[in-house]
Amino acid sequence: EADIYQTPRYLVIGTGKKITLECSQTMGHDKMYWYQQDPGMELHLIHYSYGVNSTEKGDLSSESTVSRIRTEHFPLTLESARPSHTSQYLCASSPTGGAEDTQYFGPGTRLTVL
Amino acid sequence: KNQVEQSPQSLIILEGKNCTLQCNYTVSPFSNLRWYKQDTGRGPVSLTIMTFSENTKSNGRYTATLDADTKQSSLHITASQLSDSASYICVVSDRGSTLGRLYFGRGTQLTVWP
Repeated sequence: EADIYQTPRYLVIGTGKKITLECSQTMGHDKMYWYQQDPGMELHLIHYSYGVNSTEKGDLSSESTVSRIRTEHFPLTLESARPSHTSQYLCASSPTGGAEDTQYFGPGTRLTVL
Repeated sequence: KNQVEQSPQSLIILEGKNCTLQCNYTVSPFSNLRWYKQDTGRGPVSLTIMTFSENTKSNGRYTATLDADTKQSSLHITASQLSDSASYICVVSDRGSTLGRLYFGRGTQLTVWP
């Protein structure tokens, strides 16, 4: 089982609040990813990172931002949450030198914005 | 447009029965195809991966097939168990970019009844 962790697992907040979703991995992977998934729908890549101080936007436009100050940590921040941000957020990582798609997923954070 | 289509959308079977899930893709250029299992409220976990030259791969009671000519894959589950209840996601990777983009299907929701 992959050593990738996300907190919180569930979050219910009011509109306008600033939130940070945490993601950490202990496998020493350089590459990390954030996906957004709505019920019954496919995963959409919203951010990725190839290593420390490297962040890129993914396929799906997102108002969230990410940072990568440490290899093991890849937090996602929403400055002002809105109901449209309600979704499941999945973090993943992959090892350097491995196939780009050998991604290990965390358990996800289910976000509900009221 | 690169796409991954899965069928059926949902499936209910009795414990002990076999079932087959389908995946059709239009991703090009093709790198590999992976089947993931996603339990409710959890992140996806990889079951099998197949490259262009492989046409079958087994992992316990799970057997995946790939026809790269027709761009079709199937996942066969033998002697189903209650713990097989989950969403099964087909993921195709291209090799047309440095990111090695992943294309996700919407998944087949499998329910196994006792």
